[in-house]
Amino acid sequence: DGGITQSPKYLFRKEGQNVTLSCEQNLNHDAMYWYRQDPGQGLRLIYYSQIVNDFQKGDIAEGYSVSREKKESFPLTVTSAQKNPTAFYLCASSNYAGARTGELFFGEGSRLTVL
Amino acid sequence: ILNVEQSPQSLHVQEGDSTNFTCSFPSSNFYALHWYRWETAKSPEALFVMTLNGDEKKKGRISATLNTKEGYSYLYIKGSQPEDSATYLCAFINVEYGNKLVFGAGTILRVKS
Repeated sequence: DGGITQSPKYLFRKEGQNVTLSCEQNLNHDAMYWYRQDPGQGLRLIYYSQIVNDFQKGDIAEGYSVSREKKESFPLTVTSAQKNPTAFYLCASSNYAGARTGELFFGEGSRLTVL
Repeated sequence: ILNVEQSPQSLHVQEGDSTNFTCSFPSSNFYALHWYRWETAKSPEALFVMTLNGDEKKKGRISATLNTKEGYSYLYIKGSQPEDSATYLCAFINVEYGNKLVFGAGTILRVKS
């Protein structure tokens, strides 16, 4: 089935460690996104990529890094510089670069807890 | 950063009740509005993408309207069923903000049978 796969579903990290969240899509979409959800807030954009080997910062990029070496894959690294990394992370993709009118397709999310 | 407000924050209704929620957004430089349904332990799924003032869209018992001049969209659910229980997210795109969706915090709907 076509879709977006995020892994792991749950992740625990000690302070000071970097962790990488995986996001893979087989929808042949050009654009991919990473969002963060915190209780009571809307999804906030961390990074997005409209094409392979290119990506842009979203609203809350500090402490995060991404790569887009393949069309299907957009991993997110949460670095030790991220001050409050405990959150729920959602990856998404869209058929139209920039998602202007194309709907987003989401993964099921990864919950990161820093111990 | 532009702001999207959704109200109410949560809603509890009985099976068979009809309900509606509101999404408010800045009216200037509007480009598109999205509605998503997010069931617990699943991925958010798109319900509607709306771009024109006065747009009305319908999918089964769910419909949505759009007023870009005053900056709001309504989502209606007719005859709510327990399977409608979910968080409903709206998100809009503003031309000046680039091709990025700005999400509201969502409305949590619980339908009791």
